[in-house]
Amino acid sequence: QSALTQEASVSGTVGQKVTLSCTGNSNNVGGYAVGWYQQISHGAPKTVMFGNSLPSGIPDRFSGSKSGTTASLTISGLQPEDEGDYYCSTWDYSLNAHLFGGGTKLTVL
Amino acid sequence: QVQLVESGGGVVQPGGSLRLSCAASGFPFSSYGIHWVRQAPGKGLEWVAFIRYDGTNKYYADSVKGRFTISRDNSKNTLYLQINSLKAKDTAIYYCAKTPPGDPYNFDYWGQGTLVTVSS
Repeated sequence: QSALTQEASVSGTVGQKVTLSCTGNSNNVGGYAVGWYQQISHGAPKTVMFGNSLPSGIPDRFSGSKSGTTASLTISGLQPEDEGDYYCSTWDYSLNAHLFGGGTKLTVL
Repeated sequence: QVQLVESGGGVVQPGGSLRLSCAASGFPFSSYGIHWVRQAPGKGLEWVAFIRYDGTNKYYADSVKGRFTISRDNSKNTLYLQINSLKAKDTAIYYCAKTPPGDPYNFDYWGQGTLVTVSS
């Protein structure tokens, strides 16, 4: 199954706003809510956004949006603890399968 | 609070089998679909399988179809993954992940994972 497309790496300074993108097609990103998952130092993934919902305990500097077949995760006011790998995912109805993006490595300078 | 605890991983020879378990607590287990997701060493996340809250529908990644079987026992609040005909490329940490209310297509809580190593 094809993966969703994410930037390999993104960097920003403390306090900056950064946006990560996730591109698919009308069978997946265009048709279903997208989730975003943070993984720090190869620990267990942690959900930072699903659809337009912010899980409890996740700071509101994280926000999600979608336009057509591209979803975005925006972190406003980047913090050192935000450094890690970020994955997007959603369902694909033509494949009847869940797809992940390849992941974006976020570096806080 | 929601807890998902995986177990059953280990070292197994190619062609062997394992049964992974995911013990759930802190939420009405029988009301939520659950996914298995894996991560090979140094690689990204890969979806493995999904089972609906009542076990009536199951979906698998092409890479595991015919070899892996997802199941659940709602009376024991436990999810399972039977993995057969193991291959070296199945070496990974296996996570179970719960779906959010009303959204079977995403995950809100994850377990800590259990490591499966396929090696002779």
